[in-house]
Amino acid sequence: GNSVTQMEGPVTLSEEAFLTINCTYTATGYPSLFWYVQYPGEGLQLLLKATKADDKGSNKGFEATYRKETTSFHLEKGSVQVSDSAVYFCALRPPMEYGNKLVFGAGTILRVKS
Amino acid sequence: DAGVIQSPRHEVTEMGQEVTLRCKPISGHDYLFWYRQTMMRGLELLIYFNNNVPIDDSGMPEDRFSAKMPNASFSTLKIQPSEPRDSAVYFCASSLDRVWNTGELFFGEGSRLTVL
Repeated sequence: GNSVTQMEGPVTLSEEAFLTINCTYTATGYPSLFWYVQYPGEGLQLLLKATKADDKGSNKGFEATYRKETTSFHLEKGSVQVSDSAVYFCALRPPMEYGNKLVFGAGTILRVKS
Repeated sequence: DAGVIQSPRHEVTEMGQEVTLRCKPISGHDYLFWYRQTMMRGLELLIYFNNNVPIDDSGMPEDRFSAKMPNASFSTLKIQPSEPRDSAVYFCASSLDRVWNTGELFFGEGSRLTVL
C-alpha cells in the first residue's frame, strides 16, 4: 500500500540553525510528493512539491529533492527562523490508476528558539 | 479571496449528542474533502466529493458519521450519536480539478470537537 514515514518530533532548533526533517515513502508506481505546513491554529497549506524523480521542490527557503532510489523526500532549510515553528507534513499522491488520494505522514513538530 | 470557511471553530458537547460541522469551500472548487486529525492517528481522510457527489467514503469510521454536500458551496459532516473518541480537529479542504491533479489542497482552519 501507500504510506509515508516521517521522523518523530518535536525538533527543537535555535534560530539560524540548519534544518532537516526526514521523510520516506512506500508507494505503488511513481507518486507525486509534497510537504505541507500547519502553523498554530491554522489549516495545512502546501509548502512545496515534486512530481517526478530528481525534481527539487523549493519555497520560502525550504527545499526537498525527490529521490527514487532511496524513496525519500527530506525537507531542508539552511537557516531557520522563529516564524518557521509549525508542524510539517510529508505527503504522497499515487498515480491516478493507484488511488488518486493524498496520503499524509504523521507530522513533525518544529520549534525554533530565538 | 475568501478561503475555506469552517464552523464552528470549537465545539464542546456531551456524549450522545448530535454534532454538525459545516464547510464552505472556495468558490469554483469542485473537490471537497473532510479530514480528521488526532494525536494518535494523525491526519485521516474521511470522505471526498467531486461536483457534490461522494466519491470515496471508505475513511468514514462508522455509521454514526455521515456527510452531505447539497450544493457546490456547502457541506456538512454529522456525528450522531457522538462519543468521546470522536474528539479531534476536523478539517475541510477543497481544490480545483486541475489543481487536484497536482495535489494542492486548500484547508480551512478546522473545527475542534471535544466530546465529554
